[in-house]
Amino acid sequence: DTGVSQDPRHKITKRGQNVTFRCDPISEHNRLYWYRQTLGQGPEFLTYFQNEAQLEKSRLLSDRFSAERPKGSFSTLEIQRTEQGDSAMYLCASSSAANEKLFFGSGTQLSVL
Amino acid sequence: DAKTTQPPSMDCAEGRAANLPCNHSTISGNEYVYWYRQIHSQGPQYIIHGLKNNETNEMASLIITEDRKSSTLILPHATLRDTAVYYCIVRVPNFGNEKLTFGTGTRLTIIP
Repeated sequence: DTGVSQDPRHKITKRGQNVTFRCDPISEHNRLYWYRQTLGQGPEFLTYFQNEAQLEKSRLLSDRFSAERPKGSFSTLEIQRTEQGDSAMYLCASSSAANEKLFFGSGTQLSVL
Repeated sequence: DAKTTQPPSMDCAEGRAANLPCNHSTISGNEYVYWYRQIHSQGPQYIIHGLKNNETNEMASLIITEDRKSSTLILPHATLRDTAVYYCIVRVPNFGNEKLTFGTGTRLTIIP
């Protein structure tokens, strides 16, 4: 168990640029989640995959956000035309059918200038 | 999922037991109580969960009142590494989707 890995750990971008984050879940986990966390708040659910299928999306996930999990393994979260309000920690988590616990990565801290 | 209420912050002396309360007065019969914690600059970490019986594992104990309207997470011998934000979450386990709804949690500071 190598844990959930996220890359990059930090990203600084200018408003209007596109950014992409990657998440590698625990290898045997078929469920993958994206969360967003702003300062002083708990994580907020964004979207959920089971294998390669995106089964749920939060209303927080505007049309500038897109997530993929093409082969049911790693996932990417892309934000187009970033805005200052997108500045947050983006967390990825995974779980398996055998265990209802979520395992979180350390997140990607996005700063939009 | 039922809403929870936690104190925003607590202090505890190193080596003492840390008792973190959580109110969930609207909890329904099939909702479990989960606890996660988040150490600074890391993602949340699962601690423990339970339905109505008290639970214990290598990290903590969970005490749920008989009416299930409140619970207490106990860290028996707190260390400095237990300084973190602790989240109490109530939800119906869904083995198809383990989505969690976090509140703002309790910021626990362990004092040397």
